[in-house]
Amino acid sequence: ELKVEQNPLFLSMQEGKNYTIYCNYSTTSDRLYWYRQDPGKSLESLFVLLSNGAVKQEGRLMASLDTKARLSTLHITAAVHDLSATYFCAVDPLRGRSQGNLIFGKGTKLSVKP
Amino acid sequence: DAGVIQSPRHEVTEMGQEVTLRCKPISGHNSLFWYRQTMMRGLELLIYFNNNVPIDDSGMPEDRFSAKMPNASFSTLKIQPSEPRDSAVYFCASSPNPGQSSGANVLTFGAGSRLTVL
Repeated sequence: ELKVEQNPLFLSMQEGKNYTIYCNYSTTSDRLYWYRQDPGKSLESLFVLLSNGAVKQEGRLMASLDTKARLSTLHITAAVHDLSATYFCAVDPLRGRSQGNLIFGKGTKLSVKP
Repeated sequence: DAGVIQSPRHEVTEMGQEVTLRCKPISGHNSLFWYRQTMMRGLELLIYFNNNVPIDDSGMPEDRFSAKMPNASFSTLKIQPSEPRDSAVYFCASSPNPGQSSGANVLTFGAGSRLTVL
């Protein structure tokens, strides 16, 4: 059974600081996704990582994937208050043709304080 | 595109009552997923459909839960009878599932249905 673990689960940062969220998963996979959820809202897709060594960047967020280590990271650069949200990684348990039935981590609740 | 549409957005009911949650996926998407989110268990996949056919319902907690997808534009998740432990936010998501061997298959989530069972 595929397990997806994120850490930390809670992260309080000061504006302007850098930090990394980690996502480990237990079986081989070739697709990893990052989502953002604002309080009381739905989930919004941030990044899709499809191969070993893949790196995607959007603004102050950068995601990377190491399939050999079964690890993805979400790096936050110079955090701002608008980044406060819960971030989820999700892994596709199938290799090859995807069914899309993602397994989600517990989420990392990020709070950026002035 | 209006996105994935769920109804109701909020439902408060009493234990023992039947609850029906509804979902309209994005037009052209051929995969549909029902997830449940709670503080304790996070996001759990309950069931998913490809081309209106249920593929995996192993996440459905018990026989009180059932899901249908009678056509490509509509799905329901029913709880009968409901219990307080069913209180959660239920999300519906859809994806294009292009069937490519190595392509992305991004899920688009609806706004969720917040269920409270008293």
